[in-house]
Amino acid sequence: SSELTQDPAVSVALGQTVRITCQGDSLTKYSVSWYQQLPGQAPSLVIHGRYNRPSGIPGRFSGSSSGNMASLTITGAQAEDEADYYCNSRDNSGKLVIFGGGTKLTVL
Amino acid sequence: QITLKESGPSLVKPTQTLTLTCTFSGFSLSNNGEGVGWFRQPRGKALEWLALIFWDDDKWYGPVLKRRLTISKDTSRNQVVLTVFNMDPVDTGTYYCMHRDGFHNGKSWNDAFDVWGQGTVVTVSS
Repeated sequence: SSELTQDPAVSVALGQTVRITCQGDSLTKYSVSWYQQLPGQAPSLVIHGRYNRPSGIPGRFSGSSSGNMASLTITGAQAEDEADYYCNSRDNSGKLVIFGGGTKLTVL
Repeated sequence: QITLKESGPSLVKPTQTLTLTCTFSGFSLSNNGEGVGWFRQPRGKALEWLALIFWDDDKWYGPVLKRRLTISKDTSRNQVVLTVFNMDPVDTGTYYCMHRDGFHNGKSWNDAFDVWGQGTVVTVSS
């Protein structure tokens, strides 16, 4: 099995760029998708592991991956981006869905 | 347009069985590649993957509740049912179902959960 590791909390000044990372052994083989959970709401997909931004997601969100690490980058963070962000992929066996522990993003 | 909605009891007693239904539209779970998953989120905590059912009736279970879960589908009614046995107060939380979008990245099959239900809050208390 394997797991995904995220920093518990990250902060960014309004309008600046922030990178949220997700690390795991399985990421050398499996793709990562990213989800945003605004306070009191259900999670929603912000980065699809195949085609990046779903329809309706602002262009300031982008995803990338290298080796065993994937990143979600917000270029020009806005106040409304303050949320919890989760990454997901599969474990090394390919038979388990795994999620990171989430990163709480604060926009200062 | 894909939509999903969870339904079930909001309150169950310890040791009881919880049955949640996910009713969806906009896709058919009999079509190749489709899947529906269940997650839960204890209040103030991270998401936990519970189970995933595929179009071909393959079923995957997460480690969190593996021995206490079953997932099933009724394709004709566009529903997926999650059953959790022997509920405990620690199982209190919001339960979500979602649509699984499967894709191949050149190395392996992968999942993106592209549409989520609104969630249903379940409290376990006597």
